[in-house]
Amino acid sequence: DTAVSQTPKYLVTQMGNDKSIKCEQNLGHDTMYWYKQDSKKFLKIMFSYNNKELIINETVPNRFSPKSPDKAHLNLHINSLELGDSAVYFCASSQVPGASGSTQFFGPGTRLTVL
Amino acid sequence: AQTVTQSQPEMSVQEAETVTLSCTYDTSESDYYLFWYKQPPSRQMILVIRQEAYKQQNATENRFSVNFQKAAKSFSLKISDSQLGDAAMYFCAYRDIREETSGSRLTFGEGTQLTVNP
Repeated sequence: DTAVSQTPKYLVTQMGNDKSIKCEQNLGHDTMYWYKQDSKKFLKIMFSYNNKELIINETVPNRFSPKSPDKAHLNLHINSLELGDSAVYFCASSQVPGASGSTQFFGPGTRLTVL
Repeated sequence: AQTVTQSQPEMSVQEAETVTLSCTYDTSESDYYLFWYKQPPSRQMILVIRQEAYKQQNATENRFSVNFQKAAKSFSLKISDSQLGDAAMYFCAYRDIREETSGSRLTFGEGTQLTVNP
């Protein structure tokens, strides 16, 4: 039973296309996140949602739009893909923000390649 | 803003020996969490160990232990009896306790690539 799952694991697409990455967690957590890992392996927060409400929206281009239909799902839609969007995107989840020791659990990542 | 620095891009260790990975951070907060995550070639992010800043005792998890020096803002990871399966990229990460200051985001260091030689 996968705790945090993402689909697809690999995504290869052309510049200008629109694509979505889906994330689901079965841990009963209230908070979900999207992180981006660039080609140098650096990880940075993009968004976080608490119980379907947006909490963090880092300086991410508005071509990136997260959507949380319910607290177990957080999808990432990307419009007009650019070469620089090529990266690994990780979904993560944790208990209620501020809860003692709330560790974030990560999905397997989605490697996006824009050609 | 909080920052996390890992000054060792690469480290290597012989199987069965001990290695220490360094991490320093900068924050004006007094309460926070620190983490070490491991990312093997499968790219899955795996939690190795967690430390609460208000605890003086260093966290340990089997062969993994930390040396937490709060005044020096240092958080090193020691791996004892290294195994081939320990080979991975290791990330140090920081998280504020106060939700309003960070949204509970993790701030990561640049990572240290650990090689374990047989």
